[in-house]
Amino acid sequence: KQEVTQIPAALSVPEGENLVLNCSFTDSAIYNLQWFRQDPGKGLTSLLLIQSSQREQTSGRLNASLDKSSGRSTLYIAASQPGDSATYLCATHDSWGKLQFGAGTQVVVTP
Amino acid sequence: NAGVTQTPKFQVLKTGQSMTLQCAQDMNHEYMSWYRQDPGMGLRLIHYSVGAGITDQGEVPNGYNVSRSTTEDFPLRLLSAAPSQTSVYFCASKGGGDEQFFGPGTRLTVL
Repeated sequence: KQEVTQIPAALSVPEGENLVLNCSFTDSAIYNLQWFRQDPGKGLTSLLLIQSSQREQTSGRLNASLDKSSGRSTLYIAASQPGDSATYLCATHDSWGKLQFGAGTQVVVTP
Repeated sequence: NAGVTQTPKFQVLKTGQSMTLQCAQDMNHEYMSWYRQDPGMGLRLIHYSVGAGITDQGEVPNGYNVSRSTTEDFPLRLLSAAPSQTSVYFCASKGGGDEQFFGPGTRLTVL
């Protein structure tokens, strides 16, 4: 069974620093990997989808990399802002579209 | 587009009661799914559907029923609520591009 791990569970950085969030998975036979953001009491907002054939995906200040062979994905957020404070979740997709989630990294960006 | 919508936002049930959580999407997505989110357990798949008339079980299906009579709607039925079903429930949908979109969630408490 696929297991997805996100370390650290929580992270606090001062505004302006770059954020590096890690996601590891045990089964490299993934179909896609998706990063989400979740604000307290809210739903999940999709940030980036990386298909298995891709090495990275970028959107604005966000960049996500994927290394299937080592079972790792990293989400980089450049020049963090207090509005980036949230929980970030990664999830692997199988070929049926079923998602396996990590427990998330809770990020606090202090002004 | 409203995206993925869920009703109700909050619900309190007594043990043994039944109810239906509603989920609808207006993106003409074939794939829809239900997850529950519990502290320390992350998000886990309950049921999913690859199209109207087709459903299958996920990781934690016991105590839940689903049906998919239209592309737009994917209701989740709790047959006889138990305190262990206290959770936040999320519905998601996916189109041909593989990116998955989540609804705002239903917070359910079973007393």
